[in-house]
Order: sequence, then structure tokens, then C-alpha cells
Amino acid sequence: GEDVEQSLFLSVREGDSSVINCTYTDSSSTYLYWYKQEPGAGLQLLTYIFSNMDMKQDQRLTVLLNKKDKHLSLRIADTQTGDSAIYFCAERSMYSGGGADGLTFGKGTHLIIQP
Amino acid sequence: NAGVTQTPKFRVLKTGQSMTLLCAQDMNHEYMYWYRQDPGMGLRLIHYSVGEGTTAKGEVPDGYNVSRLKKQNFLLGLESAAPSQTSVYFCASSYRGRAGLQETQYFGPGTRLLVL
Repeated sequence: GEDVEQSLFLSVREGDSSVINCTYTDSSSTYLYWYKQEPGAGLQLLTYIFSNMDMKQDQRLTVLLNKKDKHLSLRIADTQTGDSAIYFCAERSMYSGGGADGLTFGKGTHLIIQP
Repeated sequence: NAGVTQTPKFRVLKTGQSMTLLCAQDMNHEYMYWYRQDPGMGLRLIHYSVGEGTTAKGEVPDGYNVSRLKKQNFLLGLESAAPSQTSVYFCASSYRGRAGLQETQYFGPGTRLLVL
């Protein structure tokens, strides 16, 4: 079945760039997402990328997609204390018949900011 | 525009009790979902709905029932709660995009459920 893998923790210094990596197995993935979850809160959509793109930039966020290796990354430039959260990678596959099954999520990466 | 809201925010149940979690969205989304989030497990899909009056099973449907009587509401029911259902429950909704595929999902703030 589908699988999405992420490392559980990433520690960076304030002001440095953070790079959170994700790998997935489903080659029919059409959309890939990054969600952010702050403590005690729900999931907030950060950005997403279509599978026919290899890069998307949105202010401090850069998403890179290597479809051949099924590898997705999220780069956060100039990491701030407010970026401390859990970051989830998620993918959605193309289903025959246009089904609407939910997203497949990774287990989340805890981003820890050091002063 | 409140987006996706969930009630209650927190609940404690005893084993065997029943309860209903309510999800409401004001974005006129066709698709709605219920997920559970457990430590080290990410989010797993319980049930989903592609429109009013229709529901379908997700990855972990056992022990739960759902209903979508109105387009804006998606209810998750636990008929006989078990400690294994202690979790954080998230509702999400999305548009139906081109070719009938779902668009980006928007999540509610979550319901924390403790079953003793």
C-alpha cells in the first residue's frame, strides 16, 4: 500500500535554514502537501505541489519534488522560533473513477529551534 | 467564515459509553473526512463522505459510524467507546475539483477524546 516516511525530529539554530525531507512510495501521486501542526492545534496547510512540478516557492518556503526518487522536501529559510511545530508530509493519489479517499500522511517531523 | 469547526473540543468517556462528534464547515465543500491522530502514527482516515447522504470507510473504520445528513455537517459516532479510541480526532473538508477529484483539504482544530 501507500507509505509516506519522514524523520521524526529536526533540530536547527534560529536564523538557519531548515530542510524537512519526505519519501513516498505511490508513483501515482498527483498532489503532495506540507501541513504544519502547532502544539494543541489542528493542521494548517502550508503549501502543496502538483506532481508535474519540481519546485514551488512561497516566501520563506521552498518545496522540491524529485518524482523519479519519490522524494519531497520543504525548506524554511531564516527559521524562527514561531516555526517550531510538527510538519506533516501528505500525498494524494489518482484513483480510477475519481474517488475521494483521504490523504496519506507521514508520521510528522518535529522541528526544534535552538536559540 | 469560520472554516471547519469541531465540537466538543475535549471529552472524557467511560468504556461502553457512546458519543457523537460534530464537524461543520461553511465553505460549501462536497467532501468531508474524519481522521484520528495517535502519537507516532500520523493521521489515519476513519471515514469520509463525497456528498450529502453518502459515506465510505477509510483505513480504520471499526468501532465508528458516520452520517452526512446535511452538506455542511459530518458526524462521527462511537456507539460503545473503548480505551483504544482515546485519540485526537480531526475533521477535514475539501472541494470537488476537476474530473471529480478532491482539492486541498482544510482541517478543523481537533477533538481530544479520552476513554477510561
